[in-house]
Amino acid sequence: GENVEQHPSTLSVQEGDSAVIKCTYSDSASNYFPWYKQELGKRPQLIIDIRSNVGEKKDQRIAVTLNKTAKHFSLHITETQPEDSAVYFCAASINTNAGKSTFGDGTTLTVKP
Amino acid sequence: NAGVTQTPKFRVLKTGQSMTLLCAQDMNHEYMYWYRQDPGMGLRLIHYSVGEGTTAKGEVPDGYNVSRLKKQNFLLGLESAAPSQTSVYFCASSTRRGINEQFFGPGTRLTVL
Repeated sequence: GENVEQHPSTLSVQEGDSAVIKCTYSDSASNYFPWYKQELGKRPQLIIDIRSNVGEKKDQRIAVTLNKTAKHFSLHITETQPEDSAVYFCAASINTNAGKSTFGDGTTLTVKP
Repeated sequence: NAGVTQTPKFRVLKTGQSMTLLCAQDMNHEYMYWYRQDPGMGLRLIHYSVGEGTTAKGEVPDGYNVSRLKKQNFLLGLESAAPSQTSVYFCASSTRRGINEQFFGPGTRLTVL
């Protein structure tokens, strides 16, 4: 089955700096890659996603890049703010597989003011 | 539009007791999922359902049973709780049309003593 590895497990940055979280996946058939943000005690919520026919997607301060050949994708957050502090999960899905997602283990991002 | 709801929010069980967690969604989604979240281990799929009356095993199904008698509800049962089942349980749903994000419930924190 699919295996998703996520790095780093913890990341601490100063407010205003950029943060990058990287994920690799094993199943070349995966074609949907969402990123979820989970604030302390809350539910995971989608912040951005990318499909396999696209190499990069941006939404304001957040961007995701996908390298299908290398089977890795990354989340980029620019101009970080304290409210960006949360746990971030990457996932990989195959649309013919009941929409099931395999999640990475998460990255705890701390933005210091 | 409540989205995905879960009951109860918290529960403490003694080893060997049984309980049922209820997930409900009002978005007419076909797919529903049950995950458990343990520290440092991300979200692991327990069971999932692609439609009313159908269920399938996920990554960590042992010790759990599920039922989907109505499209909007997905029940997770623990027949004989064990301390290893202490976790936070999240339900999620998604549409069958294309491949899309999963919408999560608020979670149930279960402690088994």
